[in-house]
Amino acid sequence: GESVGLHLPTLSVQEGDNSIINCAYSNSASDYFIWYKQESGKGPQFIIDIRSNMDKRQGQRVTVLLNKTVKHLSLQIAATQPGDSAVYFCAENRGPYGGSQGNLIFGKGTKLSVKP
Amino acid sequence: DSGVTQTPKHLITATGQRVTLRCSPRSGDLSVYWYQQSLDQGLQFLIQYYNGEERAKGNILERFSAQQFPDLHSELNLSSLELGDSALYFCASTRGRGGGPGTQYFGPGTRLTVL
Repeated sequence: GESVGLHLPTLSVQEGDNSIINCAYSNSASDYFIWYKQESGKGPQFIIDIRSNMDKRQGQRVTVLLNKTVKHLSLQIAATQPGDSAVYFCAENRGPYGGSQGNLIFGKGTKLSVKP
Repeated sequence: DSGVTQTPKHLITATGQRVTLRCSPRSGDLSVYWYQQSLDQGLQFLIQYYNGEERAKGNILERFSAQQFPDLHSELNLSSLELGDSALYFCASTRGRGGGPGTQYFGPGTRLTVL
């Protein structure tokens, strides 16, 4: 079946380095993608989103890249800090075109650990 | 703080029992979404309500049901509980119907343990 997934389950980086978290999706009809951060004991927290008509979007210290040709999404975190340690999920919103009425399809998640 | 509230924070019960989880969306949001997060399945969409009406259904078991009340809070009812129902249950809310760009704001979740 179609799904959103992540290449790596864990990622360990040194404080101050840049982090790259990857995500693959398989539904070419998806028109909107979101990255969420989930800290231990908390609900997912919105980080950044991107529409399918864009290939790059920047936020504060974060950048999302979308490659529709290979159905790949990535989240780049600049100057990673200990507070960035969390599980990161990509999510796919197939919108009305996909018939899912706005519910999100989540990947399995990547755990980011930042070493001081 | 997302503005979405969920109660209770923790719930411990026995197999065969029935529980009710409660969610209050952000002020002004009309849609409520319920998700289940378990270790082996990740975050799974269960059901969405918009302004009191069911709008979309995901992987929700027949033993589970939900509703959204006139004041827009929502309840998720889980009955005939099984060990495998132990999970975190999140609700999220959005202003509109969904189906396109629109951030879902998640509550802190309810941790359900079935013994």
